Amino acid sequence: DIQMTQSPSSLAASVGDRVTITCRASQDIRFDLNWYQQKPGQAPKRLLYATFTLHSGVPSRFSGSGSGTEFTLTISSLQPDDFATYYCLQHNSNPPTFGQGTKLEMK
Amino acid sequence: QVQLQELGPGLVKSSETLSLLCSVSGGPIVAYYWNWIRQTPGGGLEWIGNTYHSGSSTHDGGTTNYNSSLKGRVSISLDTSKKQFSLSLDSVTTADTAVYYCARSLSYGFDYWGQGARVTVSS
Repeated sequence: DIQMTQSPSSLAASVGDRVTITCRASQDIRFDLNWYQQKPGQAPKRLLYATFTLHSGVPSRFSGSGSGTEFTLTISSLQPDDFATYYCLQHNSNPPTFGQGTKLEMK
Repeated sequence: QVQLQELGPGLVKSSETLSLLCSVSGGPIVAYYWNWIRQTPGGGLEWIGNTYHSGSSTHDGGTTNYNSSLKGRVSISLDTSKKQFSLSLDSVTTADTAVYYCARSLSYGFDYWGQGARVTVSS
């Protein structure tokens, strides 16, 4: 199975900050990487797919980059609604596997 | 807008079978993969398996895939006429306590998810 390692596991930031979360894959997954946002009591929601592409309705302050084994989610200017837990997912090969999550908290 | 809804008991006894149903509305059920994913109390997400039917009337129009970590305890089936798919997990233990999600996928991972069904396995 492909292992996905996210960093940091938690992060404290303020409204307006630029935030970056990293996900590393244990082997080459090309661009087959998604990012999800999850709030307490809710299902994960897809933010980006295929590394770069925003899911419908997702604000443009979210962006993704990377390829192969290293990927980044960037929030350009943090908004109050963005405090949540973020997960990466590789769907290059079965089984699809998730990172362990990054909890984004208010400083 | 595609919507998924999980249904099933919230409490299962150890060694028994966990059964969940997912109903799909707002979009077609054929030609997509339909997945079960679970999230442990610690927050980790694990893909359980999926099922797919092309809509073809031939006997090989469907396929099912499972995570080998579940060691043959899992079965997923699809009823295209009812727009539902199901999960059956045998011989459960307390380690199977989780929130179980159903989700849709095709080429780009999971796009639509149900709201989740919390299942507790009692010892």
